[in-house]
Amino acid sequence: DQQVKQNSPSLSVQEGRISILNCDYTNSMFDYFLWYKKYPAEGPTFLISISSIKDKNEDGRFTVFLNKSAKHLSLHIVPSQPGDSAVYFCAASAAGTASKLTFGTGTRLQVTL
Amino acid sequence: NAGVTQTPKFRVLKTGQSMTLLCAQDMNHEYMYWYRQDPGMGLRLIHYSVGEGTTAKGEVPDGYNVSRLKKQNFLLGLESAAPSQTSVYFCASSSMNTEAFFGQGTRLTVV
Repeated sequence: DQQVKQNSPSLSVQEGRISILNCDYTNSMFDYFLWYKKYPAEGPTFLISISSIKDKNEDGRFTVFLNKSAKHLSLHIVPSQPGDSAVYFCAASAAGTASKLTFGTGTRLQVTL
Repeated sequence: NAGVTQTPKFRVLKTGQSMTLLCAQDMNHEYMYWYRQDPGMGLRLIHYSVGEGTTAKGEVPDGYNVSRLKKQNFLLGLESAAPSQTSVYFCASSSMNTEAFFGQGTRLTVV
């Protein structure tokens, strides 16, 4: 049972345009959501997070939106840059669970020139 | 500023052999985790620890054991390796209510 789903395995976007990565979850107990970025042969690195008490969080070019009623979150990257090409993982955790993360399967973003 | 360090980076084992993966963090984090990443499946939690001397099972614990004798170290053991354990293993650490920091990964192949 996949509790965190990323239904798009890959996404290609032109440099300068907006990249939108989507994530859905099924577990109502999740209250903290994170996006990680992963380059080949490296570990995931934290990008941005959002608590369930918010519906938006911004950090520079990166914005995460949370729609609790739809159990959906999205990551917007504006403008996209070639260095953003990586695999992006959505992750979620629930309060009182020792910050254990449940990951989606990832979306490979390719930013083209 | 090392963060989370995993040893070794690569390893090839024969079926039935044993090995230990080492993870060390220098951020004084209480929580530590071992995940495995397989193609098309994201990262799955194997075991985790909420403090020195404590361990608990994650989503896919079978075939693995762990120990946390010191706060900064978290060891993952494979007693009798199987081809199904071929994977990339990531260690991570965090404090309560903060993001997890990951190591660079260990690529394990069991033949």
